[in-house]
Amino acid sequence: EVQLVESGGGLVQPGGSLRLSCAASGFTFRNYWMHWIRQAPGKGLEWVANINPDGSGKYYVDSVKGRFTISRDNAKNALYLQMSSLRDEDTAMFYCVKDTEDWGQGALVTVSS
Amino acid sequence: DVVMTQSPLSLPVTLGQPASISCRSSQSLVHSNGNTYLVWYQQRPGQSPRRLIYRVSNRDSGVPDRFSGSGSGSDFTLKISRVEAEDVGVYYCMQHILWPHTFGQGTKLEIK
Repeated sequence: EVQLVESGGGLVQPGGSLRLSCAASGFTFRNYWMHWIRQAPGKGLEWVANINPDGSGKYYVDSVKGRFTISRDNAKNALYLQMSSLRDEDTAMFYCVKDTEDWGQGALVTVSS
Repeated sequence: DVVMTQSPLSLPVTLGQPASISCRSSQSLVHSNGNTYLVWYQQRPGQSPRRLIYRVSNRDSGVPDRFSGSGSGSDFTLKISRVEAEDVGVYYCMQHILWPHTFGQGTKLEIK
């Protein structure tokens, strides 16, 4: 059974940084594209970033370019999202997603002073 | 960016009746390999999204056969043949042929 467990969410002040992690199990992690997708409170879904299986290809939505970095450790079956220069509008539930198919339960990031 | 436009945004349906959601993209979603990269998700209240359909018309494992996807190019439809109470939630289409991947606004299905 595929399991994706996000961690690292929390309350951070504007301009601050946070690192999300996603622990993956139940599948051969190194074979799959992985995504971060977010959802602001009461709003729709927004794709944030993805990374190819070996980590050499990374893509971002314009609003996070230069501020967020997606990475993975295939030896640890882990996906990461390093977020810096956080803004109020980054407040959202962040989901780790395997290959558009399987979703984690999400990690809540709240940016507020 | 590819703009995904869903309609309607609100969909009240009587139990047992059919429902249909449209999703249109601002560009063709057909890849040079012949595949069309359009998926449909269901998000029940308080839950993470769940993929229902991939590549336009392929149902995911465990998805009831009352759900079906169709369409081509830039015009797609999700149909529910007979709505059940457990179908309440928000439905999203997403294209993943071009970066950034983009979602429709979501269609909220409720029971009349």
